[in-house]
Amino acid sequence: TQLLEQSPQFLSIQEGENLTVYCNSSSVFSSLQWYRQEPGEGPVLLVTVVTGGEVKKLKRLTFQFGDARKDSSLHITAAQPGDTGLYLCAGAGVGTASKLTFGTGTRLQVTL
Amino acid sequence: DAGITQSPRHKVTETGTPVTLRCHQTENHRYMYWYRQDPGHGLRLIHYSYGVKDTDKGEVSDGYSVSRSKTEDFLLTLESATSSQTSVYFCAISESRTSGGTYEQYFGPGTRLTVT
Repeated sequence: TQLLEQSPQFLSIQEGENLTVYCNSSSVFSSLQWYRQEPGEGPVLLVTVVTGGEVKKLKRLTFQFGDARKDSSLHITAAQPGDTGLYLCAGAGVGTASKLTFGTGTRLQVTL
Repeated sequence: DAGITQSPRHKVTETGTPVTLRCHQTENHRYMYWYRQDPGHGLRLIHYSYGVKDTDKGEVSDGYSVSRSKTEDFLLTLESATSSQTSVYFCAISESRTSGGTYEQYFGPGTRLTVT
């Protein structure tokens, strides 16, 4: 069974601060996705990274896939209250791309 | 937003009773999934389907069964509900992208199930 560990589990910061969330595994993934989930709703896809070393930017969010495709990070610059939510990484196994393994999540709270 | 609905959105039931949750999609996606979400465990796959009448088990399938008789509907049945099945259940759909073979999943709004 592939496992994805996210850190930190909880993060409470003030508006304007920067933060990084990590997603680590001992397994290689064919691709990795990041989702954000707000209370009472389903997760919403933010980005998919496929190539080792790939970096993608989505406004103030920067996603990186590790060179060995075993880990990923999400960096948020100048966090805003609207960034509050549960961030989930999810990896697709090599040869089983239609099934995702989800990390346990990082709950982010951004206050004014 | 992807056209995915789940019903019911909330349900309270008693231990030992059967319960069926429904997921309906209007996107004609091939793959459909059922997950449960519990504190400290993230999302765990219960069952998934790769086509009509084609289903397979996920990592936490004990006590659950599924059926998919039409592309648009995926049903999850708790054969005899137990308190350990109290959870939030999410349905998701996906289709392969033409480039890279990635399967991006789109989630329904969830069903909160309480077994007393």
